Amino acid sequence: EAAVTQSPRSKVAVTGGKVTLSCHQTNNHDYMYWYRQDTGHGLRLIHYSYVADSTEKGDIPDGYKASRPSQENFSLILELASLSQTAVYFCASSGHQDTQYFGPGTRLLVL
Amino acid sequence: AQSVTQPDARVTVSEGASLQLRCKYSSSGTPYLFWYVQYPRQGLQLLLKYYSGDPVVQGVNGFEAEFSKSNSSFHLRKASVHWSDSAVYFCVLRVVSGSFNKLTFGAGTRLAVCP
Repeated sequence: EAAVTQSPRSKVAVTGGKVTLSCHQTNNHDYMYWYRQDTGHGLRLIHYSYVADSTEKGDIPDGYKASRPSQENFSLILELASLSQTAVYFCASSGHQDTQYFGPGTRLLVL
Repeated sequence: AQSVTQPDARVTVSEGASLQLRCKYSSSGTPYLFWYVQYPRQGLQLLLKYYSGDPVVQGVNGFEAEFSKSNSSFHLRKASVHWSDSAVYFCVLRVVSGSFNKLTFGAGTRLAVCP
């Protein structure tokens, strides 16, 4: 079965600080994704990548950067964390035009 | 524009009762539809998916869903629920845009199963 791991699982950050969320997959998938989930809502796409060293903007990229240094790893970077970025962040991976498999999520609280 | 509507934010049923969670979609192209489940403080897990063919698709743990093109619906069903089915259920639409596998999520339905 597909395996996607995320670290950290939870984090408390200060406003204006830098936050890096990491994702690792062992599925040999080309595609990786970052989503955010706000309480009572579905997931929204922040960034995605279909090849190492390349990232693309999703639906809500403002305030976020992404990095894909290898096929297995995909990071989400908040250069200047803000209160509005408090949410649960999910990473996912997939093959081409295939089912997405999700990680367990990272709970981020910005104070 | 693509969209997914789950009209029921919360559903409460008794253990052993039957269940239907509703989902309506809007898609300009061929819809590929999924149901994912999110257990407390866990990631999303795939329950079932529909690409084409038989409109009734079977999933894990006794769940099934029925696709209706005429009604633009993809409702999830289970004949007899268990307390462990308590979770949030998301109906998801896949949109093909070039080579990109974009998912559009419904807002989710929180299911509570009472003993």
